[in-house]
Amino acid sequence: AQKVTQAQTEISVVEKEDVTLDCVYETRDTTYYLFWYKQPPSGELVFLIRRNSFDEQNEISGRYSWNFQKSTSSFNFTITASQVVDSAVYFCALRVDRGSTLGRLYFGRGTQLTVWP
Amino acid sequence: NAGVTQTPKFQVLKTGQSMTLQCAQDMNHNSMYWYRQDPGMGLRLIYYSASEGTTDKGEVPNGYNVSRLNKREFSLRLESAAPSQTSVYFCASSEAPRTNQPQHFGDGTRLSIL
Repeated sequence: AQKVTQAQTEISVVEKEDVTLDCVYETRDTTYYLFWYKQPPSGELVFLIRRNSFDEQNEISGRYSWNFQKSTSSFNFTITASQVVDSAVYFCALRVDRGSTLGRLYFGRGTQLTVWP
Repeated sequence: NAGVTQTPKFQVLKTGQSMTLQCAQDMNHNSMYWYRQDPGMGLRLIYYSASEGTTDKGEVPNGYNVSRLNKREFSLRLESAAPSQTSVYFCASSEAPRTNQPQHFGDGTRLSIL
């Protein structure tokens, strides 16, 4: 079975602080994809990043960085020097393209990040 | 750049009423999905369509039906709405699986059942 756990339900930080959102996943498959989505207060879902199971390189995009570690089944997301506009719900998701699970995403429950000015 | 378009954006129904949520994508994607989002639950898959002409149940299909009308359109129908179906519904589409392409989401439909 596939499962994504985001243990942090809510996080509050003050602007310019760094913050890390945790994501732990479970799957027995060796080929899978991991995603992060952002849901701002306006409600839409915005794709942030994808990573496949064969690519363990960390990635940095501006103030955002992602740390993928297969050894701990984690795909954590760090925002450096947070800003008020980063306030949103962030979802981690897993996709395993096999049989009945083909193409479907398994979402974590999300982490509500609030950045205070 | 419309992407995935959902209609309506908001709807209030009475228990027992029926309605259809519409979804259309203009990215020539093969696969389409319906999710529901409830507070503290993340997004859960209701139904999906891997390709035109096929549909399959997801995690929470009870009370819903779907139709993949053509490659562009994938509708979700509530035959007899219940208060437990009050939720935000998202439609998504993606290229064929086994690619690393993400799913693209519509803006959601906020549905309240009284």
